[in-house]
Amino acid sequence: EVQLVESGGGLVQPGGSLRLSCAASGFTFSNYWMHWVRQAPGKGLVWVSRINTDGNTINYADSVKGRFTISRDDAKNTLYLQMNSLRAEDTAVYYCARAATSLGMAVAALGDWGQGTLVTVSS
Amino acid sequence: QSALTQPAAVSGSPGQSITISCTGTSSDVGGHNYVSWYQQHPGKAPKLMIYDVSNRPSGVSNRFSGSKSGNTASLAISGLQAGDEADYYCCSYTTSGIWLFGGGTKLTVL
Repeated sequence: EVQLVESGGGLVQPGGSLRLSCAASGFTFSNYWMHWVRQAPGKGLVWVSRINTDGNTINYADSVKGRFTISRDDAKNTLYLQMNSLRAEDTAVYYCARAATSLGMAVAALGDWGQGTLVTVSS
Repeated sequence: QSALTQPAAVSGSPGQSITISCTGTSSDVGGHNYVSWYQQHPGKAPKLMIYDVSNRPSGVSNRFSGSKSGNTASLAISGLQAGDEADYYCCSYTTSGIWLFGGGTKLTVL
């Protein structure tokens, strides 16, 4: 069974930093592109970032570019999101998600999601 | 990087059919067939319902179907059931390598 478990959320002051983790199990983590998606309280989903299998292809939403860094440790089956210079508008539940597959081939969709970790940026 | 445009809310009675639209541009929805749809119940993680415009993952009911015309994609749900009441989000990969979600549509089953 695929499992994605996020951790590392909490309360942080504006301008502060936080590192989120996503522990993966039930599949060969190193074979999958991974994403971070966030959802502010009562609002919609917003894509944040993705990383390919070897970590050499990384994309960010403009709203986090230069402040957030996505990375992965395949030996630990863990995805990370380092968040710096946090702002009030970064307050959200952060989900990690695995790229979907069909007949063993990757498809352009997010197939499995964790339950999310809440980040609150407030003084 | 503007969000894709979805209606804020749609509703239907049990057994009826509804359609949710998702409008983008030639750089996202209209540029390729990488449109996906997600269902989210309150307090839960999103669930993939449709990928590559019209394909259903294993386990998703065939009451859910997707299509696309130009810069607008659509999700159709037939035979509405109470359990379909949820928020629905479209998502598109873009030509600039990023992903965009729609603003979400709240489906109410009357």
